[in-house]
Amino acid sequence: GAGVSQSPSNKVTEKGKDVELRCDPISGHTALYWYRQRLGQGLEFLIYFQGNSAPDKSGLPSDRFSAERTGESVSTLTIQRTQQEDSAVYLCASSGRGRVGYEQYFGPGTRLTVT
Amino acid sequence: GDSVTQMEGPVTLSEEAFLTINCTYTATGYPSLFWYVQYPGEGLQLLLKATKADDKGSNKGFEATYRKETTSFHLEKGSVQVSDSAVYFCALSSSGGYQKVTFGIGTKLQVIP
Repeated sequence: GAGVSQSPSNKVTEKGKDVELRCDPISGHTALYWYRQRLGQGLEFLIYFQGNSAPDKSGLPSDRFSAERTGESVSTLTIQRTQQEDSAVYLCASSGRGRVGYEQYFGPGTRLTVT
Repeated sequence: GDSVTQMEGPVTLSEEAFLTINCTYTATGYPSLFWYVQYPGEGLQLLLKATKADDKGSNKGFEATYRKETTSFHLEKGSVQVSDSAVYFCALSSSGGYQKVTFGIGTKLQVIP
């Protein structure tokens, strides 16, 4: 497709379960970012990939959160043992370069609700 | 660390009114500044940007000027339309090696006919 896609669009899970969120970046984009947006708050940076390496994981809130990227394509964000405070919209973005000034293209997000 | 402060909404305006959404920032070095927009049911998209002091970003009738002396990047439009109804996010990118973007909380704009 032409844009960044994410799946699922909505996910409801029970506390304590694991979830996987998927991001398909724009073809050819080497940089990929994950953000989280809690209700009423700004977007919170989670992790940055350049290719399939993650030079900055500083935003991951706990060791329950992890992310992988296959080559320069799909990325998966995994949340283990979900908690209610994990409820948020998770956004993925990609850009053609990781350098400052290059536009990030965002996906529509995955809305995660932990009950 | 880096931070962005923008006015909380919602902001409700009549069509053709003047719009200002305030944004101030805290950052080390010389960040790039952005406004992103999220229309209902759509993903975030870049509206405009400025990469150095005194630059003016503009797009679709919106403007914002990078003011280093006041650490501000206020968004303005002279005459809003119903189609401008959306959530607007002010953001900055650190002047380090890659584009890690810090966002404000977003301001919801509703334009009524």
